[in-house]
Amino acid sequence: GQQLNQSPQSMFIQEGEDVSMNCTSSSIFNTWLWYKQDPGEGPVLLIALYKAGELTSNGRLTAQFGITRKDSFLNISASIPSDVGIYFCAGQLAGSSNTGKLIFGQGTTLQVKP
Amino acid sequence: DTGVSQDPRHKITKRGQNVTFRCDPISEHNRLYWYRQTLGQGPEFLTYFQNEAQLEKSRLLSDRFSAERPKGSFSTLEIQRTEQGDSAMYLCASSTRDSFGQYFGPGTRLTVT
Repeated sequence: GQQLNQSPQSMFIQEGEDVSMNCTSSSIFNTWLWYKQDPGEGPVLLIALYKAGELTSNGRLTAQFGITRKDSFLNISASIPSDVGIYFCAGQLAGSSNTGKLIFGQGTTLQVKP
Repeated sequence: DTGVSQDPRHKITKRGQNVTFRCDPISEHNRLYWYRQTLGQGPEFLTYFQNEAQLEKSRLLSDRFSAERPKGSFSTLEIQRTEQGDSAMYLCASSTRDSFGQYFGPGTRLTVT
């Protein structure tokens, strides 16, 4: 099936550092979403992107919808311990039926050292 | 709280038993989705409802799985004759028609022994 390649797979950083992660595909997407998931809980929507080139911020988080529509990036500035968790990218394929069905990446596990 | 709710949060069952999960979406959302998530993976799409109509099903949804949304509000997902491979987190999400921003519930963790 369709795949989203998310990298890095995991990150271990010092509190206060900035974080970057990305998601790429060989297919074109018309929506990109970024979620954070804590253990035993459902994913929480962080940022939604709907147009190629769009750059959107949510507090210390900034995400971009790649110009080629095949990738997206998430940056977290000045990380804090509560940023710990698994971050997933998700997208809806262009040309798919208008159901909103999402394809998810494999996740990036973020650990923050105080 | 008006978020997506799921019940139960955890279910342990023996192989061969039937199980049913419930999802209550955000009240004004007419789209409802079921996903399955196994350890170390992202969620995988199972099925989608717009109001009470089930409009898409994944190939992952074998004939042992059935989902309903009888009045366009809450939804149920039933698994018959459970197998160990059904052990996973079952997630429900909802959205409005014009938004692809899906909001997830806390999930139901199924363990088949």
